[in-house]
Amino acid sequence: DAGITQSPRYKITETGRQVTLMCHQTWSHSYMFWYRQDLGHGLRLIYYSAAADITDKGEVPDGYVVSRSKTENFPLTLESATRSQTSVYFCASRGTSGGIHGKTDTQYFGPGTRLTVL
Amino acid sequence: KQEVTQIPAALSVPEGENLVLNCSFTDSAIYNLQWFRQDPGKGLTSLLLIQSSQREQTSGRLNASLDKSSGRSTLYIAASQPGDSATYLCAVQTGANNLFFGTGTRLTVIP
Repeated sequence: DAGITQSPRYKITETGRQVTLMCHQTWSHSYMFWYRQDLGHGLRLIYYSAAADITDKGEVPDGYVVSRSKTENFPLTLESATRSQTSVYFCASRGTSGGIHGKTDTQYFGPGTRLTVL
Repeated sequence: KQEVTQIPAALSVPEGENLVLNCSFTDSAIYNLQWFRQDPGKGLTSLLLIQSSQREQTSGRLNASLDKSSGRSTLYIAASQPGDSATYLCAVQTGANNLFFGTGTRLTVIP
């Protein structure tokens, strides 16, 4: 049972380059999320997806693009990386069992990707 | 906007002590409150989830309480062990997809 995986685990890139972070889950959860974690800010939501082909912005979406063509994958792309996007990125998923439309279910997190933009 | 605060930011206790971690939030209109554990360089592991209609949840040596009206939650850890050393994060869900996190309490249990 692989659960939720992220790749790469570590990435160093340069300002202006495009970077894609991958997220894959094996539970067929409907909801998937991308967060970034920075010192002093805690985790902040970048984008989320309620199902395949349905995505929406979170708290800090600027400079990021997401897609979800398949339920199990939710890639996050930095179109032109900036130093302020140096962070640890976490992907999460949540099922729809329990509660109203699964709103009250636990989120399960991947191991994270540490991204450094030089 | 929901603000979540965790106090203290760091805590060191000797092994065997019982301890309490605190979490407060500004908007009481929440779906649920979740406590997570994060080990260095790792992802988040869910410990307990309390629905908005519940007052507490227990799992082993962990007990979490929720007082929605006052915007407070506590995580009680009984008989602490060195393996409990980690950062503990509190998060509240205020909408279908809005999970707001505190900045965490870093716990060190000294053998």
